[in-house]
Amino acid sequence: SQKIEQNSEALNIQEGKTATLTCNYTNYSPAYLQWYRQDPGRGPVFLLLIRENEKEKRKERLKVTFDTTLKQSLFHITASQPADSATYLCALDVGSNYQLIWGAGTKLIIKP
Amino acid sequence: NAGVTQTPKFQVLKTGQSMTLQCAQDMNHNSMYWYRQDPGMGLRLIYYSASEGTTDKGEVPNGYNVSRLNKREFSLRLESAAPSQTSVYFCASTLDRAQETQYFGPGTRLLVL
Repeated sequence: SQKIEQNSEALNIQEGKTATLTCNYTNYSPAYLQWYRQDPGRGPVFLLLIRENEKEKRKERLKVTFDTTLKQSLFHITASQPADSATYLCALDVGSNYQLIWGAGTKLIIKP
Repeated sequence: NAGVTQTPKFQVLKTGQSMTLQCAQDMNHNSMYWYRQDPGMGLRLIYYSASEGTTDKGEVPNGYNVSRLNKREFSLRLESAAPSQTSVYFCASTLDRAQETQYFGPGTRLLVL
């Protein structure tokens, strides 16, 4: 079955540094991968979508890479700020028009 | 433009009780979804509705029923709640397919005693 893994331990980063989160998957070749942000007590909010033929995608201080050979996506936040502290989820397309597979998320803490 | 709204925000039930979680979206989206989120696990799809008048099972449908009342509203019903259904429930919508941007509601926190 499809499996998707994100670091279960919280990631502590000093303000101003680059935070890098990983999303690893097995047993599938997704055409799309999405990243969402979730704050405590709230629903996830879409950040970026990257397609299998795109190696990298950027949006302001965010950058996502997608390596289909390694079966891995990396999510980077440059010049991190305390306001970036949240849980970040990745979600994979699994060939269905209506279902995605979701990672459990990585909690990011940016220290001032 | 409220996006996706859910009611109630929080609910406590006793085992065997029933309840309906309500969801509405005002973005004229065709597809709507119900997920549950448990600690240490990714969001799991319970049911989805690809369009008004259709519903289909997701990954974890047992113990739940849904109704797509109209294009705006998609409700989730627990007929006989069990402690294993203690979770946070999210409703989401997309214009059409799941691969598009999913817009989530604020969630309903359900505790079944």
